[in-house]
Amino acid sequence: GNSVTQMEGPVTLSEEAFLTINCTYTATGYPSLFWYVQYPGEGLQLLLKATKADDKGSNKGFEATYRKETTSFHLEKGSVQVSDSAVYFCALSDRTAGNKLTFGGGTRVLVKP
Amino acid sequence: EAQVTQNPRYLITVTGKKLTVTCSQNMNHEYMSWYRQDPGLGLRQIYYSMNVEVTDKGDVPEGYKVSRKEKRNFPLILESPSPNQTSLYFCASKFPGGGTDTQYFGPGTRLTVL
Repeated sequence: GNSVTQMEGPVTLSEEAFLTINCTYTATGYPSLFWYVQYPGEGLQLLLKATKADDKGSNKGFEATYRKETTSFHLEKGSVQVSDSAVYFCALSDRTAGNKLTFGGGTRVLVKP
Repeated sequence: EAQVTQNPRYLITVTGKKLTVTCSQNMNHEYMSWYRQDPGLGLRQIYYSMNVEVTDKGDVPEGYKVSRKEKRNFPLILESPSPNQTSLYFCASKFPGGGTDTQYFGPGTRLTVL
């Protein structure tokens, strides 16, 4: 079956530091890949996505590249802000599995001023 | 405003007392789904529905029921809640295909079963 593995948190950073959250996946088909973000007390919001190999998703200064050869979709941001403190979820959607979203365990990020 | 709404947002109940968590979307989405979120486990799918009157089990359906009588509503029913169903629940919706895979999530319902 499909699975997503992401680094455990919490990740604690200072403002303006570089953020990387690793994500690797296992899928039987050709999945779309997503990063969702959950701010404190809120539901999940789509941060970015990529639907095929070598696609780069980007939004709000965050980027992730779909790497089929390494089955990875690592999230990066060059200079984080306190407002980026949240839980980040890597996920995949596989059309051969009914478009079900399979999530990683989530990574909590705390950015300190 | 396009949104997914859930009610209640917080609920404390006792073992065995039937409850329903409502979910409604105003985006005319055909696909709706329920997830539970537990620490370290991410979100796991409970049930999903591809359209009205069509529902299917997800990864963790035991102890839950759903119905889809109308396109906009997808209630989650716990007939006899138990403490291991204490969790944070999210409803989500999306179009089933057409190259748009983005799911829209509700704000969550925090359930505590004593």
